[in-house]
Amino acid sequence: EDKVVQSPLSLVVHEGDTVTLNCSYEVTNFRSLLWYKQEKKAPTFLFMLTSSGIEKKSGRLSSILDKKELFSILNITATQTGDSAVYLCAVEAGNQFYFGTGTSLTVIP
Amino acid sequence: DAMVIQNPRYQVTQFGKPVTLSCSQTLNHNVMYWYQQKSSQAPKLLFHYYDKDFNNEADTPDNFQSRRPNTSFCFLDIRSPGLGDAAMYLCATSPWPGQAQHFGDGTRLSIL
Repeated sequence: EDKVVQSPLSLVVHEGDTVTLNCSYEVTNFRSLLWYKQEKKAPTFLFMLTSSGIEKKSGRLSSILDKKELFSILNITATQTGDSAVYLCAVEAGNQFYFGTGTSLTVIP
Repeated sequence: DAMVIQNPRYQVTQFGKPVTLSCSQTLNHNVMYWYQQKSSQAPKLLFHYYDKDFNNEADTPDNFQSRRPNTSFCFLDIRSPGLGDAAMYLCATSPWPGQAQHFGDGTRLSIL
């Protein structure tokens, strides 16, 4: 059965800390891995990764994919209270998307 | 701004009373998706349309149906809602299959 597993389930850090969120997957016909940030409403898109070893960056956020070991990490440096959210990892296999249950990040001042 | 709009934001219905949730998009995307998200769980894909080609997930209950009358609109019909159908329903679009999805704000459905 296909699955996407995220860790940790939840994380509490202080402002300014750096965090690393993990996503491992086990799917057939892998096509891409996506990261989303979900606050109170719908997920908003962060990154889409298709190739191993190529880091994607957006401000303080960065992500990389390892297709050999079947995982991705999302890094957030110099965290801010506005980074508090659930971070979802989704894997596209064929034309279907499989979501992990998310990592809940809380950044305290 | 181009966007994905879901109506209503909150919907309350009675047990067994049919309900329809709507989604519209101004992005002109070919693919539209419906997800169900229960509290503290990941979004679960119910259906997706690639243009007019309808794709039903294997474990989507028969109680759920969908319509896409044109490119811009997609509807989720729940024929006889049960208490277990209370959830957030998310609509998303993407230009083509396999590309990043843009989500609406969701409709939170409550069942009395």
